Amino acid sequence: QKEVEQNSGPLSVPEGAIASLNCTYSDRGSQSFFWYRQYSGKSPELIMSIYSNGDKEDGRFTAQLNKASQYVSLLIRDSQPSDSATYLCAVKPPRRGGNKLTFGTGTQLKVEL
Amino acid sequence: SAVISQKPSRDICQRGTSLTIQCQVDSQVTMMFWYRQQPGQSLTLIATANQGSEATYESGFVIDKFPISRPNLTFSTLTVSNMSPEDSSIYLCSVELPGQGSTDTQYFGPGTRLTVL
Repeated sequence: QKEVEQNSGPLSVPEGAIASLNCTYSDRGSQSFFWYRQYSGKSPELIMSIYSNGDKEDGRFTAQLNKASQYVSLLIRDSQPSDSATYLCAVKPPRRGGNKLTFGTGTQLKVEL
Repeated sequence: SAVISQKPSRDICQRGTSLTIQCQVDSQVTMMFWYRQQPGQSLTLIATANQGSEATYESGFVIDKFPISRPNLTFSTLTVSNMSPEDSSIYLCSVELPGQGSTDTQYFGPGTRLTVL
């Protein structure tokens, strides 16, 4: 079982729709969770972080965390063509694991006109 | 966040040679990391660069192949030694900064795209 799993996609959504990106992780003691966006040929940029169960909203983005199910998701409302990118889920392990992040393989999102 | 720069942004090298990649950040940071992202793949951590001590390498990466320096709290270098075409990749440095709440967060430099012929 991979430590962090994502559907590679591509996930295609029409402009204006809600895009839902999902991520599962294997280490139940993981502390913090991150979503990064990576445009082709660019480096990852942080979208959101979350560490408590529930929802966290920032503009058009909502991160959802369910530690019991070991599941974290990112919702993008009113999707725009500029949201087309690969979205990486990253997990910080329990304190004993130190500061390093483990990344999923990423989900490619395509927002179509 | 912080301003992170990397040099070079890209390079094409011959097999058997070495390349040193520099990472500079505009504020003092404790934790710096080096990642590799091979074509079409996600990020793989190479090592954590600790100021004043040896770097901590992940499984599959060794100091002889990827020596790292961390002379101060704003700068680090990664050397890719005795390169082969399999080393063709994007190399990224990241820094960890205090985040909102209790979550320290990593931010990435622009990356170095390396092609080995």
